[in-house]
Amino acid sequence: RKEVEQDPGPFNVPEGATVAFNCTYSNSASQSFFWYRQDCRKEPKLLMSVYSSGNEDGRFTAQLNRASQYISLLIRDSKLSDSATYLCVVNQKTSYDKVIFGPGTSLSVIP
Amino acid sequence: DTGVSQNPRHKITKRGQNVTFRCDPISEHNRLYWYRQTLGQGPEFLTYFQNEAQLEKSRLLSDRFSAERPKGSFSTLEIQRTEQGDSAMYLCASSLVQGAYNEQFFGPGTRLTVL
Repeated sequence: RKEVEQDPGPFNVPEGATVAFNCTYSNSASQSFFWYRQDCRKEPKLLMSVYSSGNEDGRFTAQLNRASQYISLLIRDSKLSDSATYLCVVNQKTSYDKVIFGPGTSLSVIP
Repeated sequence: DTGVSQNPRHKITKRGQNVTFRCDPISEHNRLYWYRQTLGQGPEFLTYFQNEAQLEKSRLLSDRFSAERPKGSFSTLEIQRTEQGDSAMYLCASSLVQGAYNEQFFGPGTRLTVL
């Protein structure tokens, strides 16, 4: 089993739709969590850090469920500019800081 | 521009040649990471530095790969005797680690093509 797994996608949604991505992680020692977005042939950019109580930034809401070991990202009122790949990132603290990226979920928002 | 920079942006080389990439992190950041990314995959961790100390190397990093961060500022990643399987995007990221949070900021990457 991969350490970080994401919905396989791709997701194709109309403008204005609400879309949710899920991410699961296997190691309960994981301590911090992030969502990044990556546009085609560009570098990943930090979208949100995921706090234990859940957090919201405009149209984006991130939730963490430590008991079930999953993280979610909800995008409301999708815009064309939201089209990208969304990467789930998990940071484990073992003898060193281990940062693991999920494979990403591709989103296309269609006019 | 005070973001992470990487040079060169593109590198085409023949199999068997050595290549070196450079990363300049955000100046106040103490952590520097190297990743490799191939099409359709998330970035794969290669190695990271805390200041000038290399703290961890992935099992993915064969003996042909070496990284340095001599003064705790910029870093170089060298690949010796390149193979076609080394073709990928090589990404550098830096962060200022505070407590449990480690928000990384990425450079634009160096795209390596090995012919």
